[in-house]
Amino acid sequence: QLVESGGGLVQPGGSLRLSCVASGFTFNDYWMAWVRQAPGKGLEWVAKIKPDGSGKFYVDYMEGRFTISRDNAKKSVYLQVDRMRVEDTAVYYCALENFFSMRVWGKGTTVTVS
Amino acid sequence: QSALTQPPSASGSPGQSVTISCTGTSSDVGGYNYVSWYQQYPDKAPRLIIYEVNKRPSGVPDRFSGSKSGNTASLTVSGLQAEDEADYHCSSFGGDNRHVVFGGGTKLTVL
Repeated sequence: QLVESGGGLVQPGGSLRLSCVASGFTFNDYWMAWVRQAPGKGLEWVAKIKPDGSGKFYVDYMEGRFTISRDNAKKSVYLQVDRMRVEDTAVYYCALENFFSMRVWGKGTTVTVS
Repeated sequence: QSALTQPPSASGSPGQSVTISCTGTSSDVGGYNYVSWYQQYPDKAPRLIIYEVNKRPSGVPDRFSGSKSGNTASLTVSGLQAEDEADYHCSSFGGDNRHVVFGGGTKLTVL
């Protein structure tokens, strides 16, 4: 199970840190990812992080505004979003990624930039 | 603009079969056997139903099947049921620079 938190209303230019707590599986064995979905739109892969946190990958055009991290002791993965834009408004999902497939999803946390 | 192209809508009557396409390029769908499909009900999180082109996670009915030909992947839902009415999203490995790319989603209506 994955449970996200940290969403909310933020002004353009502001920052937000999203959190995701995992349970029910060996967290430090798996890649973890963030996927977002703007209102009425499709899914968009954002970032992922290796099991030990040593490798991080982002969608090219995120322009360095997104930072993924994890704390295996807390079974948690995080997404820091800086210099937020109106177009970052979306539901942000945490997911267990295995071989480029999102095997387990959280329920999501809603971010509104306005 | 999504990297993969899906039809915005599809429909079928109960008991029928419907196929949803997902078209990419040789750099994603055509180049790797890492195509996945997700089912999403309104205001709910997506759920994986197909991975690696044609594999089903446990608990997914065998009415759902996946295939791929060239740069196009397909999801077929056989024996349509009312509960299959949902949005369906495809994804693929997009290579080292793009990692995972998604389609725009297809709304399946059971008539």
